[in-house]
Amino acid sequence: DAGVIQSPRHEVTEMGQEVTLRCKPISGHNSLFWYRQTMMRGLELLIYFNNNVPIDDSGMPEDRFSAKMPNASFSTLKIQPSEPRDSAVYFCASSFQSADRGKLFFGSGTQLSVL
Amino acid sequence: GIQVEQSPPDLILQEGANSTLRCNFSDSVNNLQWFHQNPWGQLINLFYIPSGTKQNGRLSATTVATERYSLLYISSSQTTDSGVYFCAVKETSGSRLTFGEGTQLTVNP
Repeated sequence: DAGVIQSPRHEVTEMGQEVTLRCKPISGHNSLFWYRQTMMRGLELLIYFNNNVPIDDSGMPEDRFSAKMPNASFSTLKIQPSEPRDSAVYFCASSFQSADRGKLFFGSGTQLSVL
Repeated sequence: GIQVEQSPPDLILQEGANSTLRCNFSDSVNNLQWFHQNPWGQLINLFYIPSGTKQNGRLSATTVATERYSLLYISSSQTTDSGVYFCAVKETSGSRLTFGEGTQLTVNP
């Protein structure tokens, strides 16, 4: 298996622009997670889906952030409009079954820089 | 929410040395995982270990859930072991994995 695939690897944009991050989970996994990593806040969960349904989005910072999972093999995280404080590494991860159990596998991350 | 404390925050070793990393957590958990983030930023799952002991090559982990801690052992360390080691837990009554702040390990040749 190719693992969790994220794109793009790097994104540089200007404040106010829309940013879309993409993720393809491991085939057969039914849970997908979006994390953000910064020096100040460490790794924080933004949202997770189980069977394509958003289960917990309490970590989404504000209405500028939205996430979708239209099918079992694809998810997007969108920021509109982007701000400099959104600069971080965004990771997508997937696992089999719910967050209660199952190993979590991470993608390589998207390094986002908002100027 | 659950508190996760990892120690030590930083560790410097010479190649070939052994080390023990610790993860303390403040509530009952039903999910505990150890991850290694290499210097290129990749996060690799090392163990899923909510209780008991597991071994994988030079690495092993033990979780004593009743005493709310987990240990990660690295034997005969290599320079490729350098990076940040994270512990992540999910409390039994919760719905999300909470990550500790990590242990930064540097293995010198």
